[in-house]
Amino acid sequence: NAGVIQTPRHKVTGKGQEATLWCEPISGHSAVFWYRQTIVQGLEFLTYFRNQAPIDDSGMPKERFSAQMPNQSHSTLKIQSTQPQDSAVYLCASSPTGFERLFFGHGTKLSVL
Amino acid sequence: AQKVTQTQTSISVMEKTTVTMDCVYETQDSSYFLFWYKQTASGEIVFLIRQDSYKKENATVGHYSLNFQKPKSSIGLIITATQIEDSAVYFCAMREEYQGGRALIFGTGTTVSVSP
Repeated sequence: NAGVIQTPRHKVTGKGQEATLWCEPISGHSAVFWYRQTIVQGLEFLTYFRNQAPIDDSGMPKERFSAQMPNQSHSTLKIQSTQPQDSAVYLCASSPTGFERLFFGHGTKLSVL
Repeated sequence: AQKVTQTQTSISVMEKTTVTMDCVYETQDSSYFLFWYKQTASGEIVFLIRQDSYKKENATVGHYSLNFQKPKSSIGLIITATQIEDSAVYFCAMREEYQGGRALIFGTGTTVSVSP
């Protein structure tokens, strides 16, 4: 079991460019979560899917951020027109049904210059 | 709305001693799940221990145990016989059961430094 896989590990974008972050959950896990971690805000919930359906996106910024889960093996978080304040570590996690412990990936460190 | 608060920013202890971390939570749900996670210096976040709100007994896993005080909405983490590798950031988290599938919400974390 490779665990939750996130790619890339590091991404550097210029201001205004688009960034797409990928997550492969643990096989068999039906719940996938996205979090953002910064020094100032800590671990912020963004959105989560269960059985590929969006369940709660209350943490997603209303503009420029979107997440999808086109199949059970991967989810993407897309940030359009990236801004310096989007710089953070974006963490993906999965769990069997959503109520158990989360298994975290190693995160994608996004740096917006 | 659910909320998790960790007021201790950092704690320093000597190896082989006991460290206790505080966490208080707010919820409208009658049923909820409480978790503690650890983030190591490499950034890896791992699950440590869990307490379900309906269980009266404090959970224990290895040298981790919980002090669950439901009337005070408090879930403290106790680490006994600390080791150098226990140095990390510890996060308290909560998941409500009935609020339409709300996600796990984290506190701000407590940094623990264990010295030899």
